[in-house]
Amino acid sequence: DGGITQSPKYLFRKEGQNVTLSCEQNLNHDAMYWYRQDPGQGLRLIYYSQIVNDFQKGDIAEGYSVSREKKESFPLTVTSAQKNPTAFYLCASSIVTAGTYTGELFFGEGSRLTVL
Amino acid sequence: EDQVTQSPEALRLQEGESSSLNCSYTVSGLRGLFWYRQDPGKGPEFLFTLYSAGEEKEKERLKATLTKKESFLHITAPKPEDSATYLCAVQSHNNAGNMLTFGGGTRLMVKP
Repeated sequence: DGGITQSPKYLFRKEGQNVTLSCEQNLNHDAMYWYRQDPGQGLRLIYYSQIVNDFQKGDIAEGYSVSREKKESFPLTVTSAQKNPTAFYLCASSIVTAGTYTGELFFGEGSRLTVL
Repeated sequence: EDQVTQSPEALRLQEGESSSLNCSYTVSGLRGLFWYRQDPGKGPEFLFTLYSAGEEKEKERLKATLTKKESFLHITAPKPEDSATYLCAVQSHNNAGNMLTFGGGTRLMVKP
């Protein structure tokens, strides 16, 4: 079955450590995204990518980094510079039509990061 | 700046008690309005896309409508399995990359 796989589902980190969240898709989608969700708040965009080796900052990119070396993979690193990293992280993908991102996103199951 | 406000934040219904969720938006040039359903601890699941005022979409007990300032998600005779958080998002023609702006969601609880 096609879909998006995120791992790990739960992750605990000590302050000062970098952690990397994995996101893999087999939908053959061009665009991939990382969102952050905090309780009672909407999803906020961290980074997005339309093609391999290219990505753009979203609204809250500070303290995060990404790479897009393969179409299927879009890992997110939460660095020690992120001041409040405890959150639910969601990876998504979508098709791109005529250079425009569609709003119909396919999401993974999410990764919950807790900083101790 | 695009803005999306959803109300109420939480809604408790008895099974069979119909109601509506509201999504008010401010956007410069609406490209599309999207509804998603999110179960606890899961990623959102796409429900509907609406493109222009007057448009309606239906799926089982859900119907989404759109005006120039807001969208409603009508739930007819809800069942406990409809319990979830419903998210609304807008996409504008004018923002860089046409990224979505999400509202805070409405948490719906349907009791048997």
